Amino acid sequence: NAGVMQNPRHLVRRRGQEARLRCSPMKGHSHVYWYRQLPEEGLKFMVYLQKENIIDESGMPKERFSAEFPKEGPSILRIQQVVRGDSAAYFCASSGGIEYSGANVLTFGAGSRLTVL
Amino acid sequence: GQQVMQIPQYQHVQEGEDFTTYCNSSTTLSNIQWYKQRPGGHPVFLIQLVKSGEVKKQKRLTFQFGEAKKNSSLHITATQTTDVGTYFCAGQAGGSYIPTFGRGTSLIVHP
Repeated sequence: NAGVMQNPRHLVRRRGQEARLRCSPMKGHSHVYWYRQLPEEGLKFMVYLQKENIIDESGMPKERFSAEFPKEGPSILRIQQVVRGDSAAYFCASSGGIEYSGANVLTFGAGSRLTVL
Repeated sequence: GQQVMQIPQYQHVQEGEDFTTYCNSSTTLSNIQWYKQRPGGHPVFLIQLVKSGEVKKQKRLTFQFGEAKKNSSLHITATQTTDVGTYFCAGQAGGSYIPTFGRGTSLIVHP
């Protein structure tokens, strides 16, 4: 029973390039969350998605960042024209939603660590 | 918006000493969760508390949820080196599916 799969685990980009981070939720989970973690800091909520829908993107920067969770395939967090301040660990988590007893429990992936040169 | 404060930010202990981290929310919570993140790792779910005044135990770990459902604590008895990591609380307000994480408490255990 594979957990939450994230790739790439490490990504290096130069300023101005694009970064694409992918997340496949746990089998049976239809809710995906993206969090950003800076060194020595906590987890900052970015976006919450269900299949084909963005439910809450209140934590997402207004520009350069976008997320999707298509009907088929993984969720993708896309960062355009990256800057040094985007360097962070990006964690994806999934949950089963209201149909599971532990509805709000998050299962995290191993994270994607983005370094912007 | 909802804020979750967690103290202390760091805690150094000698192996065998006890450890406690505290979590406070600016709003009443429907539930609170605790996660542990080992250095270089990812957060792993430990427990969820739902009821006012609830206390749960996992071996040497004791979790409490305040009567007003605005604060929580995690207490570890007789720490071991395997307890090293950052402990996060995450609170959810009623009607929200988005856990808001505290900044975490990093536990360092000296052998």
